Amino acid sequence: SQKIEQNSEALNIQEGKTATLTCNYTNYSPAYLQWYRQDPGRGPVFLLLIRENEKEKRKERLKVTFDTTLKQSLFHITASQPADSATYLCALLGGGKLIFGQGTELSVKP
Amino acid sequence: DSGVTQTPKHLITATGQRVTLRCSPRSGDLSVYWYQQSLDQGLQFLIQYYNGEERAKGNILERFSAQQFPDLHSELNLSSLELGDSALYFCASSVDVGTSVYEQYFGPGTRLTVT
Repeated sequence: SQKIEQNSEALNIQEGKTATLTCNYTNYSPAYLQWYRQDPGRGPVFLLLIRENEKEKRKERLKVTFDTTLKQSLFHITASQPADSATYLCALLGGGKLIFGQGTELSVKP
Repeated sequence: DSGVTQTPKHLITATGQRVTLRCSPRSGDLSVYWYQQSLDQGLQFLIQYYNGEERAKGNILERFSAQQFPDLHSELNLSSLELGDSALYFCASSVDVGTSVYEQYFGPGTRLTVT
């Protein structure tokens, strides 16, 4: 069956360090993958989109990689700040609709 | 502010009742999506409308229905409500040119509590 998996456990890191979140998928061949940020009780906010022919994409302190062979995307936040604490969701196109992972909760401690 | 509006913000109702959730997409966006998010289920896709027509369907229950009106706003109708329907319901919109799917912009959500 088709599945998207993100780190199920919360990720706790120290301010200033790089946070790395993982998104693995099976039985999909997505043309692109998206990352969203969600704060408690609020709607997800789009961060980055990476296409299958792009290995890496950057936006300010964010970096996303996409390895279609490994069926994996990595999401990095460099120089992390407490304000980066949130749940991060990956999403990919499957069956004509966007399928979201369960999300990884990131907590950045000062 | 994403530009997507949803009303009401909160809704408390009893089992067996029917409610309607409303969504106005960002200006210019033709696609509207509905999602349900509960603590144990994550963000679950329910249904998508594109320019008034149903385009994709997810795990939407038969008790739920939606429509998109000519002005592109959308309504999600939930009937014969059960306790398990308590969740956050999000609407999202996207520009979606042709068959391509673009990033989605989410509204603030409607928190539904069924008692």
